[in-house]
Amino acid sequence: GAGVSQSPSNKVTEKGKDVELRCDPISGHTALYWYRQSLGQGLEFLIYFQGNSAPDKSGLPSDRFSAERTGGSVSTLTIQRTQQEDSAVYLCASVLAGGFRDTQYFGPGTRLTVL
Amino acid sequence: EDKVVQSPLSLVVHEGDTVTLNCSYEVTNFRSLLWYKQEKKAPTFLFMLTSSGIEKKSGRLSSILDKKELFSILNITATQTGDSAVYLCAVASGTYKYIFGTGTRLKVLA
Repeated sequence: GAGVSQSPSNKVTEKGKDVELRCDPISGHTALYWYRQSLGQGLEFLIYFQGNSAPDKSGLPSDRFSAERTGGSVSTLTIQRTQQEDSAVYLCASVLAGGFRDTQYFGPGTRLTVL
Repeated sequence: EDKVVQSPLSLVVHEGDTVTLNCSYEVTNFRSLLWYKQEKKAPTFLFMLTSSGIEKKSGRLSSILDKKELFSILNITATQTGDSAVYLCAVASGTYKYIFGTGTRLKVLA
């Protein structure tokens, strides 16, 4: 595809349920980021994948959050036992190569609402 | 702790006005500073600045970095309603991490 896609675009769930958010990066891009943007806030780093290297998970806010990237392409962010404070827009971004040589291309995000 | 602070938080202007958005930072292992425009959800890249004192320009938008005083400004001249958006500043740190500010919400009235 031409750009980064994310699904679903909106997700409403009940507190305590698990959710899975998906990111399809640009084909050939080796690096992928997940961010969280709460209302009126900047982007909060969650996790970084680069090729086959171990991901940097230092931004994940709790052990209810996990992410994986299969085959170096599609990534899923899973939130278990969702809480109301998890409500936010979750953005992913892909980069052609690691490091800062190349621009991040952002997906349209998933707006998660936890009731 | 690394931080990026943007000001003002929000701004309302009329078409044709010039605006200046500010971004200050305290970040270890600074590599570059970036500006993004966020209209709906996906931020779009505007500028990347790595050297002090060199202005980057794109049409009515321009930006400059001061690495001594640790800040950057984004100028928009002759504003249009299409410039209404949240403008995000981010600092690239280390080898791959970006630290974002909370953004400035700009509204341009017709």
